[in-house]
Amino acid sequence: AQSVTQPDIHITVSEGASLELRCNYSYGATPYLFWYVQSPGQGLQLLLKYFSGDTLVQGIKGFEAEFKRSQSSFNLRKPSVHWSDAAEYFCAVAITDSWGKLQFGAGTQVVVTP
Amino acid sequence: EPEVTQTPSHQVTQMGQEVILRCVPISNHLYFYWYRQILGQKVEFLVSFYNNEISEKSEIFDDQFSVERPDGSNFTLKIRSTKLEDSAMYFCASGSGPGAKNIQYFGAGTRLSVL
Repeated sequence: AQSVTQPDIHITVSEGASLELRCNYSYGATPYLFWYVQSPGQGLQLLLKYFSGDTLVQGIKGFEAEFKRSQSSFNLRKPSVHWSDAAEYFCAVAITDSWGKLQFGAGTQVVVTP
Repeated sequence: EPEVTQTPSHQVTQMGQEVILRCVPISNHLYFYWYRQILGQKVEFLVSFYNNEISEKSEIFDDQFSVERPDGSNFTLKIRSTKLEDSAMYFCASGSGPGAKNIQYFGAGTRLSVL
């Protein structure tokens, strides 16, 4: 069965420091992968996606993610975190034989300290 | 930037009551979805909807749930007789195309509290 795992429930990072959020997936075919962010009171906003091709993908707000097939991972990174990056981050995989159903990880809550 | 709008932001209801959660998808989108997130759990797919029909639904989406596009702009989720375990954040999403490469745009959610 397909699954998405985000091992870190909660991460605290200092402003200006780098951030890496982990995502592992279990999926038989080539996955279509997404990272979404949810700020308080906001909807889920798409940060970036991976369908195929270059395994390093760039997204909005200075985020990037790297797809590693050998490790079944799609980790999200940002070189220098801003206070506004405090939010919950969700990794998701799209089920390819569906009408676009997304399967989400449990989310990682990011706290940014001064 | 166009966005998906959900109302109300918080709905409180008594067990056994019917509730309708409302969503206004992005105007040129044709594919609509509902997801929910029970507190402390993952965001779960409920249903997808296209061309006035359910295209896919999960095991959670039983006979107590229904979806409708009553006019050209709204997309609703109805829970006929709410249970305590229906308490969750419900997210509406819309997209312009079908399938796994379809980018889904989400609303801010409706928090449903069943007492």
